[in-house]
Amino acid sequence: EAGVAQSPRYKIIEKRQSVAFWCNPISGHATLYWYQQILGQGPKLLIQFQNNGVVDDSQLPKDRFSAERLKGVDSTLKIQPAKLEDSAVYLCASSSQTAGANVLTFGAGSRLTVL
Amino acid sequence: GQNIDQPTEMTATEGAIVQINCTYQTSGFNGLFWYQQHAGEAPTFLSYNVLDGLEEKGRFSSFLSRSKGYSYLLLKELQMKDSASYLCAVRVAGNNRKLIWGLGTSLAVNP
Repeated sequence: EAGVAQSPRYKIIEKRQSVAFWCNPISGHATLYWYQQILGQGPKLLIQFQNNGVVDDSQLPKDRFSAERLKGVDSTLKIQPAKLEDSAVYLCASSSQTAGANVLTFGAGSRLTVL
Repeated sequence: GQNIDQPTEMTATEGAIVQINCTYQTSGFNGLFWYQQHAGEAPTFLSYNVLDGLEEKGRFSSFLSRSKGYSYLLLKELQMKDSASYLCAVRVAGNNRKLIWGLGTSLAVNP
C-alpha cells in the first residue's frame, strides 16, 4: 500500500510569513495526526482528526496554527504568522480505526526553517 | 501528569546487545510502542506491548511490566544501521487513543 504522503519536504521562510503543509494519509485510514518534532525531542501532537472531525487539538497554538481535513481524507496544516520557534519537522501520521495496536504510520515529514 | 523517561544517549559496539529502558507514569494504560527513527527520517514502528511479558521479533525484543510502569527494548547482534533514535510511546486510556511520547534515546553503534 502507498504510504503517507507529505509536501513540501523542505521550506524556508522568514518570521511573520505564512506556510502550509499538505498530507495525504494511507487510503482508508480514518485517523490523521499532525505532530511537531523539534530536533532532539520526541513528537508533540498538534492535532488529531477522526474522519473530518477534530478529536484533540489541545496543544495546537490556535492563534497562529490551523488545520483542516474537509473531506476526511487529505489535510492541510497552516502557520500564520510564523515565529522562529516554529522551526521543526512537521510529521503527518495516519492509523486505521481497528481495535488492537492501531499502529501509526508516519510520512517523511516537512522540515520548516524560520529565519 | 503524564511522563515518560528514557535515557538520552547510549553507545554500543557492533555485534553486541543493548537494552534501552523506558519508564512511564500516565493516566491509564492502553499499550506501549517502540519506534525507530533514523536521522532526518520519519519514525517507523518496531513493537507493541499491551500485556506483561516479552515480545520477540527477530533481533529486536520488547518487554513490558505494567505494575512497574516499565518497558525495555532489547537489540541483539547490533549492526551499524541500528544507529538511530528509539522512541517509547504510551497509549493512555480514553476514546481518542492518545499517545504520550518520550524524548527518544539516541543510540550510536560503533565498529
